[in-house]
Amino acid sequence: DTGVSQDPRHKITKRGQNVTFRCDPISEHNRLYWYRQTLGQGPEFLTYFQNEAQLEKSRLLSDRFSAERPKGSFSTLEIQRTEQGDSAMYLCASSLVGTGFYNEQFFGPGTRLTVL
Amino acid sequence: AQRVTQPEKLLSVFKGAPVELKCNYSYSGSPELFWYVQYSRQRLQLLLRHISRESIKGFTADLNKGETSFHLKKPFAQEEDSAMYYCALSSYNTDKLIFGTGTRLQVFP
Repeated sequence: DTGVSQDPRHKITKRGQNVTFRCDPISEHNRLYWYRQTLGQGPEFLTYFQNEAQLEKSRLLSDRFSAERPKGSFSTLEIQRTEQGDSAMYLCASSLVGTGFYNEQFFGPGTRLTVL
Repeated sequence: AQRVTQPEKLLSVFKGAPVELKCNYSYSGSPELFWYVQYSRQRLQLLLRHISRESIKGFTADLNKGETSFHLKKPFAQEEDSAMYYCALSSYNTDKLIFGTGTRLQVFP
């Protein structure tokens, strides 16, 4: 297991097109998070799953964004009708819920989206 | 509102000099505070968390609830410490992280 993986690593698309990103978490990690990072900013929370259930969505996640984790393993993040403002690094992280107060999140390398 | 503030975008020091990366937060309740680090061409990774009260790679951070601060310190900087550092807080139950804007630390030889 080499950690959290994301595919693709880079995506260039034209405004108005749909894009889909994939995240494969660390095996047996039951929580999966999506974050977005724009230039000069820290990562911003988008949504998270526990197993296959999507438990929270940020207000940043407009109706054009949808995320799924159908079998509680990998997750996809789809952006419909992309806009130039969607250009960012999309980060995925996973964690294993345990008995501690905080469960360390392990981050993937990110998918860099450029909308022309 | 939950917020993390890192006032410095860039901090440049010479090798062997002390380093302090500032972090202030606002949170209603008892937060869990962290420092994450991103070295060049590597992924974001946890450096340390306040609850563990440990020193990692010579770095320490003390949570000051009165000043709502969680500054990261190291007495003698090394060139390999050059990286992007993010302060973050965690929301109870969800573990979602709220990040600051980050501080780039440059350590010159």
